[in-house]
Amino acid sequence: GQQLNQSPQSMFIQEGEDVSMNCTSSSIFNTWLWYKQDPGEGPVLLIALYKAGELTSNGRLTAQFGITRKDSFLNISASIPSDVGIYFCAGQGGSARQLTFGSGTQLTVLP
Amino acid sequence: NAGVMQNPRHLVRRRGQEARLRCSPMKGHSHVYWYRQLPEEGLKFMVYLQKENIIDESGMPKERFSAEFPKEGPSILRIQQVVRGDSAAYFCASSPTDSPLHFGNGTRLTVT
Repeated sequence: GQQLNQSPQSMFIQEGEDVSMNCTSSSIFNTWLWYKQDPGEGPVLLIALYKAGELTSNGRLTAQFGITRKDSFLNISASIPSDVGIYFCAGQGGSARQLTFGSGTQLTVLP
Repeated sequence: NAGVMQNPRHLVRRRGQEARLRCSPMKGHSHVYWYRQLPEEGLKFMVYLQKENIIDESGMPKERFSAEFPKEGPSILRIQQVVRGDSAAYFCASSPTDSPLHFGNGTRLTVT
């Protein structure tokens, strides 16, 4: 089946710093999504990408759909304490309609 | 517009009992997906349903697990004769198209 490698597994950054995380796949995806999950909650959609090369922003968040369609990255600029949480990438590809999730990046923002 | 609603939020069952998890999709969404999440892991696909039809159940264990999405009412994920390994968070997602987007807050199942 399709697999996603998400890195880093965890990050500790100072408030105000920028942070970047990425996902790579062994196969091509048609859609890349980035979610944030807080403890005890469901994943919340941050950004959706539908075209190779697409660069999309949502406030301080920017994500790109890699040109090879096998990778995506998420950048968060000027981090704040409420950015703390687990960030997941998810991809959809081929005939499969369901999403394949990465293993998550645990972000901690230090004051 | 209410989001994806799941209940109960927490469910405790003894080994051998049945667990029923409910999911009401967002208004106007006819596509429902169920995912399972173990601690410190990503979500794993279980089953994809449209109204009255199971489209893809390739991620669901062959025994003890079943899912339905009737014409009226919520989607139900049913786990019979639960075992300790079934303990996990179960999430439902809905979409107006065939790509899942919006997730509920999940049901946390604990099997004692």
